[in-house]
Amino acid sequence: DADVTQTPRNRITKTGKRIMLECSQTKGHDRMYWYRQDPGLGLRLIYYSFDVKDINKGEISDGYSVSRQAQAKFSLSLESAIPNQTALYFCATSERQVNYNEQFFGPGTRLTVL
Amino acid sequence: GQNIDQPTEMTATEGAIVQINCTYQTSGFNGLFWYQQHAGEAPTFLSYNVLDGLEEKGRFSSFLSRSKGYSYLLLKELQMKDSASYLCAASAGVDSGYALNFGKGTSLLVTP
Repeated sequence: DADVTQTPRNRITKTGKRIMLECSQTKGHDRMYWYRQDPGLGLRLIYYSFDVKDINKGEISDGYSVSRQAQAKFSLSLESAIPNQTALYFCATSERQVNYNEQFFGPGTRLTVL
Repeated sequence: GQNIDQPTEMTATEGAIVQINCTYQTSGFNGLFWYQQHAGEAPTFLSYNVLDGLEEKGRFSSFLSRSKGYSYLLLKELQMKDSASYLCAASAGVDSGYALNFGKGTSLLVTP
């Protein structure tokens, strides 16, 4: 069974639509992260959360919002999708440890905005 | 600031050894990770270094020099399945949420 799951795995949408990507984990980790990956640009951090009441912006948060509904769930929303948000999106989790931050990644969601 | 540099592409022969280098500049540096990523799949953890020196794990080894801001991943006895992208990631400290700052990845092609 997958420890970190993402839904949907693939999504095609149109410019201006609202989109939600969901992430769930059964690892019991406190920290959760959203990244996007673009060819030639690597993984870039969008938002991260240390617990349900702690949400923080990452490197590229403009155009995105998040919700930490529970320890195990962290959703990413695109309020009004645009074509340059076409990318592969990954959710990741890590334990609450000082000085060690191995992250475990979900399988990814491939989003295409037309 | 955050700056991670690694080569874009490398090619090596099955059975050989390959070294993938990474240089970094990260505020509040808190360790260096290497991940492997096959095309279209999630990154998976390979190694972690926080102290200077070499960490060996089977066919894979990773080295860190904190004073030089330098790391490398060494892959021995290359197999065809090692063809993948290798991601270097520097971990920031608590002020940055222990975020991982990733390089753009090195695409390794293993040929027969």
